[in-house]
Amino acid sequence: GAVVSQHPSWVICKSGTSVKIECRSLDFQATTMFWYRQFPKQSLMLMATSNEGSKATYEQGVEKDKFLINHASLTLSTLTVTSAHPEDSSFYICSALTQDPISSYNEQFFGPGTRLTVL
Amino acid sequence: AQKITQTQPGMFVQEKEAVTLDCTYDTSDQSYGLFWYKQPSSGEMIFLIYQGSYDEQNATEGRYSLNFQKARKSANLVISASQLGDSAMYFCAMRDNYGQNFVFGPGTRLSVLP
Repeated sequence: GAVVSQHPSWVICKSGTSVKIECRSLDFQATTMFWYRQFPKQSLMLMATSNEGSKATYEQGVEKDKFLINHASLTLSTLTVTSAHPEDSSFYICSALTQDPISSYNEQFFGPGTRLTVL
Repeated sequence: AQKITQTQPGMFVQEKEAVTLDCTYDTSDQSYGLFWYKQPSSGEMIFLIYQGSYDEQNATEGRYSLNFQKARKSANLVISASQLGDSAMYFCAMRDNYGQNFVFGPGTRLSVLP
């Protein structure tokens, strides 16, 4: 299957700082990427849909000014947690959507996740 | 709106036995896809199996099979011959036909006992 990477895999930061998480599709181009957040012992919750060359679409309740998403190229989307606070500590997972140009069948591949801890 | 329900927060199974993880879904779409993912303690989401809403046969992938009952809106995962490495969280998920809406269930934690 297709490979999606995330960097960093884990990060610890002080409260009030900003943290950038990268999501890359390594062997395919992805016009659409998704960002999820997962709290301990809970399911994945979609935060936003990132489309290359346009503004991200945020789910209800997700602060767009706090979670900045940039999808500048067909292989890279970034999530920046601005002015992070302890309650932002979570596991952040991205995924990238592939699409077969002939059949239009699409599939979603997940990155390995980034564990953010805000002190 | 789409919704996934997994009623078993935790399950135990003896090694080498089969186990069924329940998943029911709710959607008004006629065309959709159902997925099962495994998430070990490392956190990565591992794709297990996929069932399209128009697929007439139940999907199978090695030791994994999906018991798809469309009328009941259920898509249970069956793991045969459980192994210790199967211990993990298992998520049922549904995607609409356009691939832009992906909803996860709350998950089931499976523990395989030696």
